[in-house]
Amino acid sequence: IAGITQAPTSQILAAGRRMTLRCTQDMRHNAMYWYRQDLGLGLRLIHYSNTAGTTGKGEVPDGYSVSRANTDDFPLTLASAVPSQTSVYFCASSDSSTGELFFGEGSRLTVL
Amino acid sequence: GQNIDQPTEMTATEGAIVQINCTYQTSGFNGLFWYQQHAGEAPTFLSYNVLDGLEEKGRFSSFLSRSKGYSYLLLKELQMKDSASYLCAVLDSNYQLIWGAGTKLIIKP
Repeated sequence: IAGITQAPTSQILAAGRRMTLRCTQDMRHNAMYWYRQDLGLGLRLIHYSNTAGTTGKGEVPDGYSVSRANTDDFPLTLASAVPSQTSVYFCASSDSSTGELFFGEGSRLTVL
Repeated sequence: GQNIDQPTEMTATEGAIVQINCTYQTSGFNGLFWYQQHAGEAPTFLSYNVLDGLEEKGRFSSFLSRSKGYSYLLLKELQMKDSASYLCAVLDSNYQLIWGAGTKLIIKP
């Protein structure tokens, strides 16, 4: 049982390039989330999806887009990467009965 | 605005007890979570409190006072593997999680 799988685990990217971070879960959770984690700032919500076919903006959505075509997949796209998007990105899903979040292992992105 | 406050860093000795505090000001309250995050890894669930009082789970306990907007995580019989960051998060009235910046706990032999 994989839980939540993120890819790539690490990436160095030139500014201005387009990048998609992939996230797949096998727990059939309805809700999924993308967070970025920066030193001293904690986890900040980028986008979320409460169920397949719907998405919403979080605290820091600018420069990012998401889609939720099915229950399992929730990719995050940076249309034109900028250095301020250098961060560790975590995908998560939540158990609707407990609210507990399950996280992927993270994707470390460096934009030069 | 919404705010979660935790100490940035704490140091404790192996075998001892440490208490990590969390105070919150949020629009509504639907529960408080504690997560553990080892360096370079993903956060993992430790505890969930929605009612006032103490929840004990092995060496870890979590306390909540909703009237004071306050929680703490108590770690007993500290082990070196407990060196990690501990994240406090509150579920607000919209069922969105508001995260604290985390407390880095350093365990010394």
